[in-house]
Amino acid sequence: GQNIDQPTEMTATEGAIVQINCTYQTSGFNGLFWYQQHAGEAPTFLSYNVLDGLEEKGRFSSFLSRSKGYSYLLLKELQMKDSASYLCAVRDSNYQLIWGAGTKLIIKP
Amino acid sequence: IAGITQAPTSQILAAGRRMTLRCTQDMRHNAMYWYRQDLGLGLRLIHYSNTAGTTGKGEVPDGYSVSRANTDDFPLTLASAVPSQTSVYFCASSPDRDTGELFFGEGSRLTVL
Repeated sequence: GQNIDQPTEMTATEGAIVQINCTYQTSGFNGLFWYQQHAGEAPTFLSYNVLDGLEEKGRFSSFLSRSKGYSYLLLKELQMKDSASYLCAVRDSNYQLIWGAGTKLIIKP
Repeated sequence: IAGITQAPTSQILAAGRRMTLRCTQDMRHNAMYWYRQDLGLGLRLIHYSNTAGTTGKGEVPDGYSVSRANTDDFPLTLASAVPSQTSVYFCASSPDRDTGELFFGEGSRLTVL
């Protein structure tokens, strides 16, 4: 079966750094995506990895290791507005997105 | 404002009733999707359409139907609603099926009693 695992909830302090992990087992791999979803709102695209390595975009970076079935999202200089759920999704061999349940990130002052 | 619009935003529905959730996009995207999101679960694909005139079944299609008569519209119909269909429904689109960046509507919260 196909499976995406990520922690249910994490807490971090404003100004700090947090790493949200995602492991996956899917039938085929055509890219990994991270989305941000604020409570009561729609998900919005953050990052895309298809090759191994680190992709950096401002305060956010995403890493992928295809051989390990592993990715992480790194958030630096945390701000209160970063409090949200972070969704990991993998595009499988049928080009469908398989979604993790999301990690709720709580930022404390 | 360009984007993807869903209606209604919220609806309470009696079991057994028919309901259509509307979705319209003005970005001329080829691919459109319907997901449901339930607490503790990831987004689950109900139906999708890679281009106007074609549709496909996702992970949880039972009890739902869709149509794609044109590029812009992708309505989702519950023929006879049941309480297990209580959920938040998101419509999404992408330029084509190979593009992973999805653009989501604001969601429709449906409660079936």
